[in-house]
Amino acid sequence: DAGITQSPRYKITETGRQVTLMCHQTWSHSYMFWYRQDLGHGLRLIYYSAAADITDKGEVPDGYVVSRSKTENFPLTLESATRSQTSVYFCASSEGDRSHEQFFGPGTRLTVL
Amino acid sequence: AQTVTQSQPEMSVQEAETVTLSCTYDTSESDYYLFWYKQPPSRQMILVIRQEAYKQQNATENRFSVNFQKAAKSFSLKISDSQLGDAAMYFCAYRRGGGSNYKLTFGKGTLLTVNP
Repeated sequence: DAGITQSPRYKITETGRQVTLMCHQTWSHSYMFWYRQDLGHGLRLIYYSAAADITDKGEVPDGYVVSRSKTENFPLTLESATRSQTSVYFCASSEGDRSHEQFFGPGTRLTVL
Repeated sequence: AQTVTQSQPEMSVQEAETVTLSCTYDTSESDYYLFWYKQPPSRQMILVIRQEAYKQQNATENRFSVNFQKAAKSFSLKISDSQLGDAAMYFCAYRRGGGSNYKLTFGKGTLLTVNP
């Protein structure tokens, strides 16, 4: 299917476990982003990537790791999940041209017990 | 750092009426973009409208229009003839125009309820 997909859509894990959230886009957009959405905070940027093998921190990167070996994939890993990482995670992609919008995936709801 | 403020956590409107959602932002940049995103209960983020800072004309998309006041750093969204399907969380967002970082900075959102 064309577009941007995230998996899983829902995940429950325990404190201390490693979790990887997947993001895949079919447009060959150069830019990809990870945001987390928490009540009272809106969406906050965790990490972003300008191209394959180029990543950079956003506003709230602590406790997260990203990689981008292929243009179409941008996985987000929580190396040792904490309760404070319970959130809804959105992946987004963009052409990277100044005029282009970001397209968002459907989100992953992560609960850390 | 840029900040985006939505001062109305919740708003309600009667069906067919008009409602305005407020957004202010703080930036030292002159080249930037502003967006309104809609998030219905499905959680999907949907772009409603976009405004380029260098354009004086306010953007319009069907029943949605903005009042962009650059000097006041204000970017409000007006929804005319409100429909039940407009009920959602609305986020105002800012993005720099220049450079290579195209990240969005979001406000905390306004939850819009549409009453039949």
